[in-house]
Amino acid sequence: ELKVEQNPLFLSMQEGKNYTIYCNYSTTSDRLYWYRQDPGKSLESLFVLLSNGAVKQEGRLMASLDTKARLSTLHITAAVHDLSATYFCAVDSTGTASKLTFGTGTRLQVTL
Amino acid sequence: NAGVTQTPKFRVLKTGQSMTLLCAQDMNHEYMYWYRQDPGMGLRLIHYSVGEGTTAKGEVPDGYNVSRLKKQNFLLGLESAAPSQTSVYFCASSYWDRSEAFFGQGTRLTVV
Repeated sequence: ELKVEQNPLFLSMQEGKNYTIYCNYSTTSDRLYWYRQDPGKSLESLFVLLSNGAVKQEGRLMASLDTKARLSTLHITAAVHDLSATYFCAVDSTGTASKLTFGTGTRLQVTL
Repeated sequence: NAGVTQTPKFRVLKTGQSMTLLCAQDMNHEYMYWYRQDPGMGLRLIHYSVGEGTTAKGEVPDGYNVSRLKKQNFLLGLESAAPSQTSVYFCASSYWDRSEAFFGQGTRLTVV
């Protein structure tokens, strides 16, 4: 059974600081997704990482994937208040169909 | 673009009542999913479908049934609601190539 763990679960950081969210998963997978969720809202796709060593960047967020270590990171550079949200990683467990298994989420709070 | 639309957005049920949640997508996606989101547990897959007329169980299928009579619609049914089914339900859809999943706005269901 695929398990996905994120840490930290909660992160409070000051504007302008850098930090990294970690996503570990338990079985082999060839793709990983990062989503953002604002309170009371739906999930917004941030990144799709398709292969070992993949790195994607959008604004102050950068995601990477190491399939050998079964680890993905979401790095936040010079945080701003607008980045406050909950971030989820999700791993695709392939078989007869794509099935996303989600981590428990990291609630990020960026303070002034 | 409507994307993924869920109906209704809010509902309160009494224990033992039944209801159907409707998910409609206009992106011609092959795959559709139903997830539930509970505090501190991320999203958990209830049922999914890889195409019209097909359904399969996810991680937490008990107490739910689904149907996909048309490619664009995926219905989630609760035959006899229980307080443990109080949750936020999200529908999602994706292409067969697992590029990314698009989520609906969610249905907040309370069973009293």
